[in-house]
Amino acid sequence: QVQLQQSGPGLVKPSQTLSLTCAISGDSVSSNSAAWNWIRQSPSRGLEWLGRTYYRSKWYNDYAVSVKGRITINPDTSKNQFSLQLKSVTPEDTALYYCAREEYDSSGYSSGLDYWGQGTLVTVSS
Amino acid sequence: DIQMTQSPSSLSASVGDRVTITCRASQAIRNSLAWYQQKPGKAPKLLLYAASRLESGVPSRFSGSGSGTDYTLTISSLQPEDFATYYCQQYYSTPWTFGQGTKVEIK
Repeated sequence: QVQLQQSGPGLVKPSQTLSLTCAISGDSVSSNSAAWNWIRQSPSRGLEWLGRTYYRSKWYNDYAVSVKGRITINPDTSKNQFSLQLKSVTPEDTALYYCAREEYDSSGYSSGLDYWGQGTLVTVSS
Repeated sequence: DIQMTQSPSSLSASVGDRVTITCRASQAIRNSLAWYQQKPGKAPKLLLYAASRLESGVPSRFSGSGSGTDYTLTISSLQPEDFATYYCQQYYSTPWTFGQGTKVEIK
């Protein structure tokens, strides 16, 4: 059974960096059949995909244009986890942040975001 | 980006009703569509993927159909535990995008 456990601060000051970690159990961050995503949810933006990291003989990242230049998603193979860093935050980055696994079958087709973390409410405020 | 438009945004229904939610993509997404159920205070839960494939453990009263740009989630007989918000999501091309949600409420 895959479990994703999120950790990180719930309050970040404007202009600072938001940092969250998602610890994986029951799977590997280096899996060749998974991708590891960050999604956030707010009343104003709804569910917004932020980006992902995945390993296919080498590491790849995809990021949403809306946060590109401010976002970094990094795998940590030694701890079997992945992280989100979002720089220069503003109150508009206040949201409930989720990590989620995306699994791929042997033909390379995604089967959606099947496991999610518990969510972390991050408030950007001084 | 591919825009996902869900309708209706909310609906009221009774236990036992058949419920249909639609999702329209701004371009063809070749069945690369998932449906999620979210209850208050919980993360979204995957119900279906590839437009019509039921996730393991999901009751068979949930079904999906569609092609091209238009997709449908159907709940054949609404149960008390089905009152929640439902989202569609395309994974045809990044950035993955979600519909705005459909809240299913008790009539």
